[in-house]
Amino acid sequence: EVQLVQSGAEVKKPGESLKISCKGSGYTFSSYWIGWVRQMPGKGLEWMGIIYPGDSDTRYSPSFQGQVTISADKSSSTAYLQWSSLQASDTAMYYCARRSESAAFDIWGQGTVVTVSS
Amino acid sequence: SYELTQPPSVSVSPGQTARISCSGNALPKQYAYWYQQKPGRAPLLVIYKDNERPSGIPERFSGSSSGTTVTLTISGVQAEDEADYYCQSGDSSSTYWVFGAGTKLTVL
Repeated sequence: EVQLVQSGAEVKKPGESLKISCKGSGYTFSSYWIGWVRQMPGKGLEWMGIIYPGDSDTRYSPSFQGQVTISADKSSSTAYLQWSSLQASDTAMYYCARRSESAAFDIWGQGTVVTVSS
Repeated sequence: SYELTQPPSVSVSPGQTARISCSGNALPKQYAYWYQQKPGRAPLLVIYKDNERPSGIPERFSGSSSGTTVTLTISGVQAEDEADYYCQSGDSSSTYWVFGAGTKLTVL
């Protein structure tokens, strides 16, 4: 079964760093782009960026460039989303998703809730 | 930055046809994709490449494209179709992608 499994919920304080993960299985992880999507409480989906694990080619939305870092480790079939200094406004659900050959996000992770509060 | 525009809400009675539009300047050059999201769930792909339907998605879901607007059509709407729907596409140079703000479909 093709699936993406994300790391568990996080509660952090402003200024702290964080790295969440997304592990793929059931397919050749290095051959498909993995994207990250933010959904703030009660709000819509926001495309953050995407990485090709095969060569770590990474693209960011202008809205998120410089705010987060997307990385991947093809040896462990895992993609990552990280922050160096969290803000309360980073509180959200974060999804990873696989981009298919048709360029659609066809497989989604279950989501990781990140709460940033003092 | 690039934006896709969707109506905030659409309401239809069961059995009627729901149409959700999505407009963007790059849509004549870029494919559009549609996702359904129900409360507490991850999004689900319902249409790709403007009008293709993934396996397992009911035939009542269809997509079309005309100029700078793409449309998701749900024929014979059922109560279970009540959800938020998002379009997604790329900017003109395929540098990055965006989602529309989403449309809440209410089945009366």
